[in-house]
Amino acid sequence: AQSVTQLDSQVPVFEEAPVELRCNYSSSVSVYLFWYVQYPNQGLQLLLKYLSGSTLVKGINGFEAEFNKSQTSFHLRKPSVHISDTAEYFCAVSGGTGFQKLVFGTGTRLLVSP
Amino acid sequence: GAGVSQSPRYKVAKRGQDVALRCDPISGHVSLFWYQQALGQGPEFLTYFQNEAQLDKSGLPSDRFFAERPEGSVSTLKIQRTQQEDSAVYLCASSLGVQGNYGYTFGSGTRLTVV
Repeated sequence: AQSVTQLDSQVPVFEEAPVELRCNYSSSVSVYLFWYVQYPNQGLQLLLKYLSGSTLVKGINGFEAEFNKSQTSFHLRKPSVHISDTAEYFCAVSGGTGFQKLVFGTGTRLLVSP
Repeated sequence: GAGVSQSPRYKVAKRGQDVALRCDPISGHVSLFWYQQALGQGPEFLTYFQNEAQLDKSGLPSDRFFAERPEGSVSTLKIQRTQQEDSAVYLCASSLGVQGNYGYTFGSGTRLTVV
């Protein structure tokens, strides 16, 4: 079974500063990794995903993430955040044989202030 | 349609009432998932359909929860005799295949409030 840990429940940051949201996963099989963003009262929007190949993945809105197999991590980064990036961010993992469901972390709330 | 559509967007139910939540997945998507997201939490898996077959319902919290997808497209999640602990956002997602590499598209969810 897979699991995801997002250690930071909330990350406050000033506008134009860099940010890193941490994600660690646990799995006994090869995995696919995802980051989703959720704005208030909305569904989940895919930011980026890692399936295979290059460990540095670029997504929408200037976000990127790096897959580190040895550290079982998939941290999300942005070099310069905007007020509009304020939202809840979820890391998720899928993998294994048969059908593959997404297993989510508990989320990290990114709060960007001026 | 272009995306996953869920209705109603909001639902207020009195305790003990039955509710039905609808999910219209992307046309042609084989896989359909239901998730429950409690306030301040990540989504939790409820059940999975591959076409019309319900292959996994291990996440359904009680026998008051029932889901169906009779023709392999639209799905309905039904909750009988709603309780306050059922208050949550119910998310539906669909995927073209069964493997994660096809990605998952989520609807906007139905926010259920049981009073």
